[in-house]
Amino acid sequence: DIVMTQSPDSLAVSLGGRATINCKSSQSVFYGPSNKNYLAWYQQKPGQPPKLLIYGASTRESGVPDRFSGSGSGTDFTLTISSLQAEDVAVYYCQQYYSRRLPFGGGTKVEIK
Amino acid sequence: QVQVVQSGAEVRKPGASVKVSCKISGYTLTELSIHWVRQPPGKGLDWMGGFDREDDETFYAQKFQGRVTMTEDTSSDTAYMELSSLRSEDTAVYYCAAGPARLGELSPFDYWGQGTLVTVSS
Repeated sequence: DIVMTQSPDSLAVSLGGRATINCKSSQSVFYGPSNKNYLAWYQQKPGQPPKLLIYGASTRESGVPDRFSGSGSGTDFTLTISSLQAEDVAVYYCQQYYSRRLPFGGGTKVEIK
Repeated sequence: QVQVVQSGAEVRKPGASVKVSCKISGYTLTELSIHWVRQPPGKGLDWMGGFDREDDETFYAQKFQGRVTMTEDTSSDTAYMELSSLRSEDTAVYYCAAGPARLGELSPFDYWGQGTLVTVSS
């Protein structure tokens, strides 16, 4: 089974600052015939279910602010929040949907410094 | 607009079973792949299993094999997750999550239920 590893476990960023979260999969989630990376990012705020932010490694879900961006391919991926806002305080998870067992990364807690 | 509504909180004793339901509206169940994710208090998301609509097969995470059963009633657009032989470590919020069923590929989870707290305590 594919294992997803996120880093760091937590980070504190100043308002307006940049937050960078890394996600590594134990095997490639890129499928050549479709030219897609099957990697998603979710945001979870306290007391709420997760919300899909990004799919295909870099495509923002409708309504997601453009300060959120995803990058990477194969096994290494990054979620960047370019200018952190107070409402971005949350835990962020990556997930692969390349194989039929769909594990999440361990999560990264983003706080305000 | 898809709505995913789960059944209410449950309390069970160790060794018992629990069955959580997930009612879909705005789509039919057959247009979606339904998965179940749990989250113990203060911890991360743990994918439990889900239904591959294309292959008509349910896949479970290895750690839950033999203890979990996921079923669907397409006549009422409701999915179910039953977990047996409960222990205290199964105390968690259980989420139903869904993505569009697509030919030839899986999809991420666009839609989530509100979560169902299952408490296992003697």
